[in-house]
Amino acid sequence: NAGVTQTPKFQVLKTGQSMTLQCAQDMNHNSMYWYRQDPGMGLRLIYYSASEGTTDKGEVPNGYNVSRLNKREFSLRLESAAPSQTSVYFCASITGTGGTDTQYFGPGTRLTVL
Amino acid sequence: AQSVTQPDIHITVSEGASLELRCNYSYGATPYLFWYVQSPGQGLQLLLKYFSGDTLVQGIKGFEAEFKRSQSSFNLRKPSVHWSDAAEYFCAAGSFNDMRFGAGTRLTVKP
Repeated sequence: NAGVTQTPKFQVLKTGQSMTLQCAQDMNHNSMYWYRQDPGMGLRLIYYSASEGTTDKGEVPNGYNVSRLNKREFSLRLESAAPSQTSVYFCASITGTGGTDTQYFGPGTRLTVL
Repeated sequence: AQSVTQPDIHITVSEGASLELRCNYSYGATPYLFWYVQSPGQGLQLLLKYFSGDTLVQGIKGFEAEFKRSQSSFNLRKPSVHWSDAAEYFCAAGSFNDMRFGAGTRLTVKP
């Protein structure tokens, strides 16, 4: 049981390049989330997927797209990377959408955009 | 606007001393409240959560937190800090689809 896994762990991009961050969970969770973490700030929600086949915007969705490929996988795509997207990205999942759930986080992807 | 404030950016305590980390929230109604811990290079781990009921919540690793509605606070406490508690601590509030995090408090533990 690996929990929430993210690939890659580190990535360096040039401005304008595209890439996809991968996230997978093996806990049979329904809901999955993408956050970004910047220095001096807490995590901010980018997108979430309450269930397979649905996605919704969070607090900071601009510049990103997501795909809920199946129940296990939730990817985050940067179509044209910008230096402002330099951040650490975390994926998380919970069983449902109820408030009593526990959110499990992946180890993060550190992205640098030059 | 909904927000979470952690007034202390960095706290240093001696091993064995008590600890209190402060958290204040601004929401229209009492939100769900959480404390997470993050070790360097790691993801966040849930320490404890409050949804309703008893205002003193027990968590893992010997941590507890007290919800005070009148002060819009949810402070984290530990009676005796261990060197392994050195980490960054985040308070969060809201529903999972609209979670707001504080900026974090970095805890250093002196031997």
